[in-house]
Amino acid sequence: EPEVTQTPSHQVTQMGQEVILRCVPISNHLYFYWYRQILGQKVEFLVSFYNNEISEKSEIFDDQFSVERPDGSNFTLKIRSTKLEDSAMYFCASSEARGAPGQPQHFGDGTRLSIL
Amino acid sequence: AQTVTQSQPEMSVQEAETVTLSCTYDTSESDYYLFWYKQPPSRQMILVIRQEAYKQQNATENRFSVNFQKAAKSFSLKISDSQLGDAAMYFCAHTGANSKLTFGKGITLSVRP
Repeated sequence: EPEVTQTPSHQVTQMGQEVILRCVPISNHLYFYWYRQILGQKVEFLVSFYNNEISEKSEIFDDQFSVERPDGSNFTLKIRSTKLEDSAMYFCASSEARGAPGQPQHFGDGTRLSIL
Repeated sequence: AQTVTQSQPEMSVQEAETVTLSCTYDTSESDYYLFWYKQPPSRQMILVIRQEAYKQQNATENRFSVNFQKAAKSFSLKISDSQLGDAAMYFCAHTGANSKLTFGKGITLSVRP
């Protein structure tokens, strides 16, 4: 069964540095998402992306964050000038376009981001 | 704004028994979808079951079924014949027209052999 893949599985970065989290969505999916889960808290929506542009973003997704689909397969989340509170598990998800918004979102394994 | 509430932080069930996980939600939308996701220790979020709000019939997926009470805004998950592999964190989630999932805090389910 096709899967969403995320790399790296764990990223350790010094505060103030930039990080790029990478995702390869399922190949025939056209909607892409990033969520984060701070340890012990609920999963929170960050951003959704369709047709090469952001379709929805949360209050968390400020100017520090950006997303990009640099080629036909990757979907990246960039965090500029990381802060301690950015430490979390970041999940990428994708869904089919047909029948959206009710289409199930398929999640990757997540990237655990640790800011020191 | 949508909210999803899972008030039970954890539950335990004996293997082969049945357990029900509770979830309530609030939304101003008339057309929406509800989901249960499972997150085992391996951490990947796995879709368990999906319910369209416009359908009165409760969704069923093998040993998993829901009790969808639209008027009460309740969406509970029933796991029948519980197995050791069912032990995980379970998240209830809602999405409306904007496709973003709103999750509850989750419930940790343990299965006793």
